[in-house]
Amino acid sequence: ETGVTQSPTHLIKTRGQQVTLRCSSQSGHNTVSWYQQALGQGPQFIFQYYREEENGRGNFPPRFSGLQFPNYSSELNVNALELDDSALYLCASSPSGRITDTQYFGPGTRLTVL
Amino acid sequence: TQLLEQSPQFLSIQEGENLTVYCNSSSVFSSLQWYRQEPGEGPVLLVTVVTGGEVKKLKRLTFQFGDARKDSSLHITAAQPGDTGLYLCAGAPRLYGGATNKLIFGTGTLLAVQP
Repeated sequence: ETGVTQSPTHLIKTRGQQVTLRCSSQSGHNTVSWYQQALGQGPQFIFQYYREEENGRGNFPPRFSGLQFPNYSSELNVNALELDDSALYLCASSPSGRITDTQYFGPGTRLTVL
Repeated sequence: TQLLEQSPQFLSIQEGENLTVYCNSSSVFSSLQWYRQEPGEGPVLLVTVVTGGEVKKLKRLTFQFGDARKDSSLHITAAQPGDTGLYLCAGAPRLYGGATNKLIFGTGTLLAVQP
C-alpha cells in the first residue's frame, strides 16, 4: 500500500509568481485535505476535496485554489505569491472524509517565497 | 473562532523524566487527536479520543480527553530521546460548515529529550 506522496519536496519562488503543488492520495482514499504550516506553528486548514468537489474551506483568500482528479490525486495552486506564503504545505488523505476517519499526511512541500 | 492552545510551547528535558503537555480550548470538539511530527515529515497520528473523560494508553504515553470535551492532555513517562519531536493536538469541531473531518490544530509543543 503506497502512502501519501507530495511533489516537489522543496520549491523557491519570487513574489507575484504562481505555484502548483501536487499530492497523490493513499490507495483507496477519496478525500484530500490541504494544510499550511508556518514555521513553529501548527498546520492550518486550507480546503478539502471529496470525490473531485471542494468540501469545505478554511480562512484563505481565493488565490489559493485546488483541484482533485478522478484518481483522487490533488493539486494546490497559489497565485500572486506573497512572502507570507512561505510555509510547509501538507496534504492528507482519508478513506471517505467522515469525521471519524484517520487522515494520513504526506511529507509536505517546503515553499520559500523571496 | 475555535482555537486550540497548547502548553508548554517548548520543553527540554533529560532522558527518564516525565512530562505533560496540555491542549485547551473554549470550544467543544467531537474528538481530539494527538500527532507527532518530526523534521521534514508530515504529522503522524498517535491517538484519537472521542468520549469525554476517556483515557488511552500507548506504551509510555497516556492521553486524556476532558469531561467537557474542551481539553486534552498527553503524559509521557520516562521520556526517551526517540520521543523528541513536535507534538500537535487537533480537534474535529462539532459543527463546521462544509468540511466533515477538517482538523483544527493546536499551536504545537516542541519536545527535546536529551540523552
